[in-house]
Amino acid sequence: NAGVTQTPKFQVLKTGQSMTLQCAQDMNHNSMYWYRQDPGMGLRLIYYSASEGTTDKGEVPNGYNVSRLNKREFSLRLESAAPSQTSVYFCASLGSAGEAYNEQFFGPGTRLTVL
Amino acid sequence: AQRVTQPEKLLSVFKGAPVELKCNYSYSGSPELFWYVQYSRQRLQLLLRHISRESIKGFTADLNKGETSFHLKKPFAQEEDSAMYYCALLKSGAGKSTFGDGTTLTVKP
Repeated sequence: NAGVTQTPKFQVLKTGQSMTLQCAQDMNHNSMYWYRQDPGMGLRLIYYSASEGTTDKGEVPNGYNVSRLNKREFSLRLESAAPSQTSVYFCASLGSAGEAYNEQFFGPGTRLTVL
Repeated sequence: AQRVTQPEKLLSVFKGAPVELKCNYSYSGSPELFWYVQYSRQRLQLLLRHISRESIKGFTADLNKGETSFHLKKPFAQEEDSAMYYCALLKSGAGKSTFGDGTTLTVKP
C-alpha cells in the first residue's frame, strides 16, 4: 500500500499561472480532504469530499477548485495563482473501517511558491 | 461552527519534565477529537483519539466535555517528542474536520 500520494512535491508558479495538484489513495476510503498549512495558522481545510461525486467547501475555498475524479483521486486546481496561495498543501483520506475508522491519513505534501 | 483552539504556539520543556499541550474546542454536537503529530520531515500521523482512551508513546488525553477541552499530557518528556502537535475535531456524519493552529513542542536535553 502506497497510502496517500501527492504530486508534485515542489512547484514554483508565477502570479496568474494555473496548476493542478494531484492526490490519490489506495485504501478504498470514501472521504478525502485538501488542506493548506501556513506558519502560525495550522492546517486549514480548503475542500473535502465525503464520497465519490460530492465535494464541499471548507474554511478557505476561494481561489481553488476540486475534482473527485473517482474514489481514488481528488485533485486541487488553482486557476490563477496568487502569492497568498504560497503554502504547503496536504491531501488526506479518512479511514472508514476497523482500527482506522475516522483516522485521517496524510500525503507527504506539496510545497507551492507563487512569485 | 466548529472551532479548535490551541493557545500555545511554542512550548519548550526539559527532558524528563511533564508536558501538557492544551486544546479547547467548540462544537454543538458530539465531536470526535484527535491529536495528530508531525515530526520533522515526516507527514502528519495520528497520535491518539479520545474514543480509544489509550496511551500512545506515553501520551494521554482526556476529553472534558464540561470544559470542552482535550489536553495532551505526558509525565516525562523525551527529546524524540519534539514535533508539531495538532488537535483536531471531526464532525461525525459529514466528515468535516477542523484542526487547531498547532503547538511546536521542543524538548531540551
